[in-house]
Amino acid sequence: GDSVTQMEGPVTLSEEAFLTINCTYTATGYPSLFWYVQYPGEGLQLLLKATKADDKGSNKGFEATYRKETTSFHLEKGSVQVSDSAVYFCALSDLGSSNTGKLIFGQGTTLQVKP
Amino acid sequence: DARVTQTPRHKVTEMGQEVTMRCQPILGHNTVFWYRQTMMQGLELLAYFRNRAPLDDSGMPKDRFSAEMPDATLATLKIQPSEPRDSAVYFCASGLGYRGQDEQYFGPGTRLTVT
Repeated sequence: GDSVTQMEGPVTLSEEAFLTINCTYTATGYPSLFWYVQYPGEGLQLLLKATKADDKGSNKGFEATYRKETTSFHLEKGSVQVSDSAVYFCALSDLGSSNTGKLIFGQGTTLQVKP
Repeated sequence: DARVTQTPRHKVTEMGQEVTMRCQPILGHNTVFWYRQTMMQGLELLAYFRNRAPLDDSGMPKDRFSAEMPDATLATLKIQPSEPRDSAVYFCASGLGYRGQDEQYFGPGTRLTVT
């Protein structure tokens, strides 16, 4: 079945460092891909998405490009801030045969940014 | 702006008691999802609905959990009887659930502690 694999955390960076969180997927068909962020004590929030190959999703300085040839959707940010400390989830839409809108999530990667 | 709301935000109860969690999806969304999040298991999909009809509840322990949508503005998740292993954060999410608009919007969660 479809699945998402993220790099294990925690990822610890200094402020203003470059961030990459790797995400690869296995899917039949052409799912949409998402990054969600969860701040402490809160629910998941959509960070960005891409709906087809070569699309780049971007938001709040974060970017990710839908790479069909490598089945990847790596999250990047050029300069992280302490306020970016959170858990990041990669996800894909489970199109299946009924297109239910179900998402398949990776296990999450914790990012800690130190001042 | 439109948000998914959940009540209660926190619930502490004794083993054996009934617990009911409520969710109000975003108006106009036709898919509703229930998730459970724990440190050990991560984010698990319990059940989901489309147009108020249950599509899949295979993620739920059948003997004690039940999920319903009495109307389009209310989804409920009930645990009876509750057990200490049910302690977790329960999230509700809603969405439009079709290709290109399949992102989900999460509520703030209900933190359940069963003693």
